[in-house]
Amino acid sequence: AQRVTQPEKLLSVFKGAPVELKCNYSYSGSPELFWYVQYSRQRLQLLLRHISRESIKGFTADLNKGETSFHLKKPFAQEEDSAMYYCALSGYNYGQNFVFGPGTRLSVLP
Amino acid sequence: EAGVAQSPRYKIIEKRQSVAFWCNPISGHATLYWYQQILGQGPKLLIQFQNNGVVDDSQLPKDRFSAERLKGVDSTLKIQPAKLEDSAVYLCASSLALAVSTDTQYFGPGTRLTVL
Repeated sequence: AQRVTQPEKLLSVFKGAPVELKCNYSYSGSPELFWYVQYSRQRLQLLLRHISRESIKGFTADLNKGETSFHLKKPFAQEEDSAMYYCALSGYNYGQNFVFGPGTRLSVLP
Repeated sequence: EAGVAQSPRYKIIEKRQSVAFWCNPISGHATLYWYQQILGQGPKLLIQFQNNGVVDDSQLPKDRFSAERLKGVDSTLKIQPAKLEDSAVYLCASSLALAVSTDTQYFGPGTRLTVL
């Protein structure tokens, strides 16, 4: 069964410090991985997706199939990065479930 | 472009009552999703439509939950009768592509349901 885990419920860092939000998954096959973010009083929105291999707002994520991980990283955290971050997984086959992790709340302190 | 619309934004009911939520996806989006998000958890997919057909409803509690997508546009999600454990935020999302679960999903603001 597809599953996404995010071991940290809350992560606090100081402004300018590096950030790493952890995500591990279980899936039999080659999944597509995503990071979604929800800023305070805003809608859930896509931050980045593995297939695009892009950097959004300074964030990057690398898919490690050996460790089944898709950790989100940013070298220098900003206060506006404070939000709830969800890792998510989907299969490529028709009708496969879209699965979210439980989320990590990132708090960037001044 | 207008985003995904949902109504109502908040609903308080007593257990065993019924409730319905409405979602209007982004114009032209073929795929529509309903999620349940219980406090402290990530969203859980309840049902996925492509146009007006159901792609996946494996996690929908069909004894009490039902959903339809009329004419492949708007959708309603109904709970009848509601239980205390149904208290959650119900999120609607839509995506452009057909038959691909990897497309970007655009979320609505959600409906917060409280069952007393």
